[in-house]
Amino acid sequence: DGGITQSPKYLFRKEGQNVTLSCEQNLNHDAMYWYRQDPGQGLRLIYYSQIVNDFQKGDIAEGYSVSREKKESFPLTVTSAQKNPTAFYLCASSSGGFVEQFFGPGTRLTVL
Amino acid sequence: AQKVTQAQTEISVVEKEDVTLDCVYETRDTTYYLFWYKQPPSGELVFLIRRNSFDEQNEISGRYSWNFQKSTSSFNFTITASQVVDSAVYFCALPSGGYQKVTFGTGTKLQVIP
Repeated sequence: DGGITQSPKYLFRKEGQNVTLSCEQNLNHDAMYWYRQDPGQGLRLIYYSQIVNDFQKGDIAEGYSVSREKKESFPLTVTSAQKNPTAFYLCASSSGGFVEQFFGPGTRLTVL
Repeated sequence: AQKVTQAQTEISVVEKEDVTLDCVYETRDTTYYLFWYKQPPSGELVFLIRRNSFDEQNEISGRYSWNFQKSTSSFNFTITASQVVDSAVYFCALPSGGYQKVTFGTGTKLQVIP
C-alpha cells in the first residue's frame, strides 16, 4: 500500500541533544513537507521540498534542519538550538500544484 | 498574506444532531483552492475535500456537505446526523505561494456524545 511512514511514533530525548525524525513516502510524490503541531495552534510549516536536493524554509525553520537526498525520504533534525522542541511533528507529501497533501501518522517528540 | 480563521475551538453535540464547522479565509489571490482535513485521535490528517474558487456550488458527500461563499470568504462544513466516529479535529486550509505552502486554520475539535 502506498503511503507515508514516520518513525518512531513516540520519541523522548534529553535537553541539548539533537534528534532526527524519519519520513518516508512511496507515493512517488515530488513535494514533501514538515509541520509542527502544538495544542490550539494548528499546523505550522517548518520546511518543505519541491524536488530532490532542494528545500525551503517554512514559517518556523529556526532550530531545525532537513535534507532531501532521495525522492522518498525527507528527514527532519531537531537541533539543540530549538528552544521548545516538545511537539507533534507531521510529515506530508504531494504531487504538487493544486492537489491535497497526504500525511503520515506523526511523531510525538518529548524533550525532558 | 494568507489567513484562515476557525473561530470555533471546540464543539460538542449529541449523536444524530447536525453540526456546522465554520471557516473564514483571507487571500489576495484571484484563483485559489480550499481544503478540509480531519484529524482523528490517532493523529494522522485525512483529506476530505478540495474546492476551487471558480466553483461555488455546494458539495455533498454522504453525510458531509460544504458551503462555499466567495462573497463572505467562507467555506463551511456541515455534518448531518453526526456519529461518534466523527469526533475529531477538523482543519480548513488555504494553499499559497505556488500552492506548495498551505496555511491551516487552528482547527475545530468536534466531540460527538453518544
